[in-house]
Amino acid sequence: SQQGEEDPQALSIQEGENATMNCSYKTSINNLQWYRQNSGRGLVHLILIRSNEREKHSGRLRVTLDTSKKSSSLLITASRAADTASYFCATYTGRRALTFGSGTRLQVQP
Amino acid sequence: DVKVTQSSRYLVKRTGEKVFLECVQDMDHENMFWYRQDPGLGLRLIYFSYDVKMKEKGDIPEGYSVSREKKERFSLILESASTNQTSMYLCASSTDRGRGETQYFGPGTRLLVL
Repeated sequence: SQQGEEDPQALSIQEGENATMNCSYKTSINNLQWYRQNSGRGLVHLILIRSNEREKHSGRLRVTLDTSKKSSSLLITASRAADTASYFCATYTGRRALTFGSGTRLQVQP
Repeated sequence: DVKVTQSSRYLVKRTGEKVFLECVQDMDHENMFWYRQDPGLGLRLIYFSYDVKMKEKGDIPEGYSVSREKKERFSLILESASTNQTSMYLCASSTDRGRGETQYFGPGTRLLVL
């Protein structure tokens, strides 16, 4: 089973609205990362949050981490059509390598 | 900027063929990874390498092998391609600060096995 699971699986919003995606995981982590994938392309790293951090910002992105609930959220503010993509969370437990979830497909309508 | 390149964007092969997928990174990264991506399953780790000539199995290594003869190049080999290996293959690399650091991805190779 996946270490990280995103919710919702798909999200459709209007340009200018905020988009929130959630990630839940099962075991303790060293860090959690969010990646974006445009259709048919490779993944691009967005943000990394370590287990001792609670919130991190990068431009229009805000990531929170709640280790007690084993969950994270990615907020994209003032969304644009160019934000249309799939978003993946990835967790690192200190063993082997990152484990990716199955992703949230975000559609931003112009 | 880190650049990770993959030898082909699209590939069509026949069942039983030996298939080579090549990945090259230009940032002197120690770690390199091969994933496959299928709808609804996310990315699944096939193999990774943390040094030249070193390799470790990921979650789904069956039917695959890898080669890392030079630091910048990591090859994925399908010894005898099967239709269930039709997928998107993604290569990634990262520094040696820890295997959990940021990964840089190539554009992917979409493989169709007929």
